Amino acid sequence: EIVMTQTPLTSPVTLGQPASISCRSSQSLVHSDGNTYLSWLQQRPGQPPRLLIYKISNRFSGVPDRFSGSGAVTDFTLKISRVEAEDVGVYYCLQATQVPHTFGQGTKLEIK
Amino acid sequence: QVQLIQSGAEVKKPGASVKVSCTISGYTLSKLPMHWVRQAPGKGLEWMGGFDLDGGETVYAQKFQGRVTMIEDIYTDIAYMELSSLRSDDTAVYYCATVFSRGLDPWGQGTLVTVSS
Repeated sequence: EIVMTQTPLTSPVTLGQPASISCRSSQSLVHSDGNTYLSWLQQRPGQPPRLLIYKISNRFSGVPDRFSGSGAVTDFTLKISRVEAEDVGVYYCLQATQVPHTFGQGTKLEIK
Repeated sequence: QVQLIQSGAEVKKPGASVKVSCTISGYTLSKLPMHWVRQAPGKGLEWMGGFDLDGGETVYAQKFQGRVTMIEDIYTDIAYMELSSLRSDDTAVYYCATVFSRGLDPWGQGTLVTVSS
C-alpha cells in the first residue's frame, strides 16, 4: 500500500498571503500509462470533499486559478497564491495510481 | 451535470449490517466508476473500495475485505455499499464518489452511520 504523508498538518495563514501544502508518497506515482494520478481535494467544514486538482497540476472545473499543483514521482505540492476566507478547510492529497487508493492525513488550513 | 444523492442517516447495533445507497442523476451508472470513502468523526478520509480501472473490477481495501460489498444496479442507476459485522469504530460518514480522470468528483452528500448499543 502506498503511504501518503502530508506536511504540515495545520497551516495558519494570513488572509491574502500564500499557502503551501506538501504531499509525499512512499512509492512512485507514475502509472504504466505514463500519467501520475495524484489529486488534491478540499473539504470545507460540514461539507463533502470536492476535487481541486487532478493529475498533479490540472485544475478541475470551477476551481479558482489561485490554486495550483506541482510535483513529480513522489513529491507534490498544492499552492494557494493568496488565501481567501472561503479557503478554510482541510486539504487532502489522493493517489489513484495503484489500488488501494490512499489519502494523505489532511492539512487543516486556518486563518491567523 | 452528475449528482449523487445518498440515503439517510442510520443507527445500528454492534454486529448488524448497514446498506447505504447512492442514486445517480444526470448520467448513467454503467459509465461511472464508483468509489466509497468514509470519515470517522473528526478524522480524515479513508478509501474503502471502488472500481479499479486497470483491473476492470471492484476492489476493496484489505481492512474491509470480507465485511464490505459494493454493488451497482445499472437499471435503476443506484449504487450500494453494504458493511456487515458493524463495530463502534465503524461510526462514520460514508460517501460515494465517482471518478474524473482518477480524481474523485462529484461526491454524494454523505450518510452518517452510527453504531451504538
